[in-house]
Amino acid sequence: EIVMTQFPATLSVSPGERATLSCRASQSVSSNLAWYQQKRGQAPRLVIYGASSRATGVPARFSGRGSGTEFTLTISSLQSEDFAVYYCQQYNYWPITFGQGTRLEIK
Amino acid sequence: EVQLVESGGGLVQPGRSLRLSCAGSGFTFADYAVHWVRQTPGKGLEWVGGISWNSVSIGYADSVKGRFSISRDNAKNSLYLQMNSLRAEDSALYYCAKDIYNGFESWGQGTLVTVSS
Repeated sequence: EIVMTQFPATLSVSPGERATLSCRASQSVSSNLAWYQQKRGQAPRLVIYGASSRATGVPARFSGRGSGTEFTLTISSLQSEDFAVYYCQQYNYWPITFGQGTRLEIK
Repeated sequence: EVQLVESGGGLVQPGRSLRLSCAGSGFTFADYAVHWVRQTPGKGLEWVGGISWNSVSIGYADSVKGRFSISRDNAKNSLYLQMNSLRAEDSALYYCAKDIYNGFESWGQGTLVTVSS
């Protein structure tokens, strides 16, 4: 099973600033990496797939990078609606695995 | 509009069984793999298992292998999760999700399973 590790666990950033979230896979997952945003009381929402492609309707301030084992999600200028928990997921192999999440909170 | 609606959750005693269903609409259900993902309140996401569009490939997390079974009926646009020998640690919100071969594009709102005596 591939273990996905996200860091930091919590990130405090002010609105308008940049946030960078990280995700590491225990072995290569190629570019088969997705990022999800989850707000309280809601189902997860796909934000990035294929490590760097934005899902439908996702603003351009969201960007993803990486391949192999190291990945990042960057939100260039944080808006109030961006504060949430973010999960990375590898879908290169079954069992599909998620990271434990990074909580992005308002500083 | 793509919709996934889970049902079948509830309170069940340890060791008993429960069957969850997920009804898809707004897309050609038979064209996509679908998955079950669970989440304990305040905790992270755990993939439970998934099934390919034609039911040829079915996979499970180690934590449920041998106890849970996934199936689908494309004629009914439905996905199922048969859960046997339930344990307290299976208590969670269970989501179904549509796989676009590049992540899970659509999710239902979940159905809550509570395993307790």
